[in-house]
Order: sequence, then structure tokens, then C-alpha cells
Amino acid sequence: GENVEQHPSTLSVQEGDSAVIKCTYSDSASNYFPWYKQELGKRPQLIIDIRSNVGEKKDQRIAVTLNKTAKHFSLHITETQPEDSAVYFCAASINYQLIWGAGTKLIIKP
Amino acid sequence: DAGITQSPRHKVTETGTPVTLRCHQTENHRYMYWYRQDPGHGLRLIHYSYGVKDTDKGEVSDGYSVSRSKTEDFLLTLESATSSQTSVYFCAISERRGEDGYTFGSGTRLTVV
Repeated sequence: GENVEQHPSTLSVQEGDSAVIKCTYSDSASNYFPWYKQELGKRPQLIIDIRSNVGEKKDQRIAVTLNKTAKHFSLHITETQPEDSAVYFCAASINYQLIWGAGTKLIIKP
Repeated sequence: DAGITQSPRHKVTETGTPVTLRCHQTENHRYMYWYRQDPGHGLRLIHYSYGVKDTDKGEVSDGYSVSRSKTEDFLLTLESATSSQTSVYFCAISERRGEDGYTFGSGTRLTVV
């Protein structure tokens, strides 16, 4: 069936360095790609999203890029800080549903 | 926060008992969803609703039923709870289906003993 693959499952970076999380999707008709951040014990919260008519979107230290030809999209976090430690989920709209990646645990090392 | 609340926040129940979780929204959004979240499985869709009395199954619907008698309320019922249904349950809402981000409730941690 349709799916979204997310890599890596765990990412450990030094504070101040950049982090990149990648997702691939299977349905070429997908047109909406959100990213969520979930802190320990909390609800998932939308941090950034992108639609298929643009290739990149930025919001301060976070950015998302989309390559529709290759069917993959990525989350970029620059100048990582301790508060960026969380689990990040990508999703893609497939048949009017959001299909979720399995999540990436981001660890920021002091 | 964001006009969506779940109750209860925590519940411990015995195997074989029925359990109902409630999701209440004040955003007047058409779409409501129930997910379960387990380690290693991410978010899995149980059921969703696209209007009052209009619901459909997700990928892990066995053992669960839902009802939506009012726009603002979406109930999830475990008809006869099993230990495999121990999980964190999240409700979510959206204005459009698959074209907008979802807003999640705070979750219900359910333990079946």
C-alpha cells in the first residue's frame, strides 16, 4: 500500500550543528507535506508544512525542501539547540489522508 | 490550547471491560481522527469522521468503534479492552481532509491490566 518512509530513526547531533531528516513517499499525486514535533509526553505539533507547488519553505531555523520528481522531502534544522530534542514526524497526503512516517528521535548533545 | 480536549487523560481498566474515550473540539472543524501511538509504530489511524454520523475505518480499527452525534464530539469505544490496546490515544481535527495540518489533543494514556 501507500507509505511514507522516514530516515534516520535516531539522529544525534552536537549542539549548534545542523540536523537533516528525510522522508520518501510513494504516491506521485501527494500534494501536502507537514512536519510535526513531539516532545516527550506531549502531543505532536505542526512545525512547518509545504505544498507541492513550492520547492522550499523556511521559518527561522527550520526549513523543508521538496523534490517531487524523486518523491522525497526533508526537514533541515540549523544551529540546533537543546529544546530541539524531540521526535519528529513527517507525513504526506495520500488519497486525502495523511500517511505518517515512523518518526525520528533527535538528540542534541551538549 | 487550539480548542481540542481529550478525556480522561489517564485511565487504567481491566481486560474485558468497555472503555470510552472522548474528544471535544470548539473549532467547528469537519474532520476528526483517532490515532494510537505505540513505541516503534508511530501514529496509526483507528477511525476518522467526516461529519456528524459519518465515520470510516482506519488501518487498525479492529476492536474499536466510534460515534459522532455532534460536530464537536467524537467518541472512541473499546468494546472489550485487551492488553494489546494499552497505548496512548490521540484525537486530531482538521478543516480539510489531507490538505491541512492536523491539530492534536493532549492524548489519553490507557492501560489495560
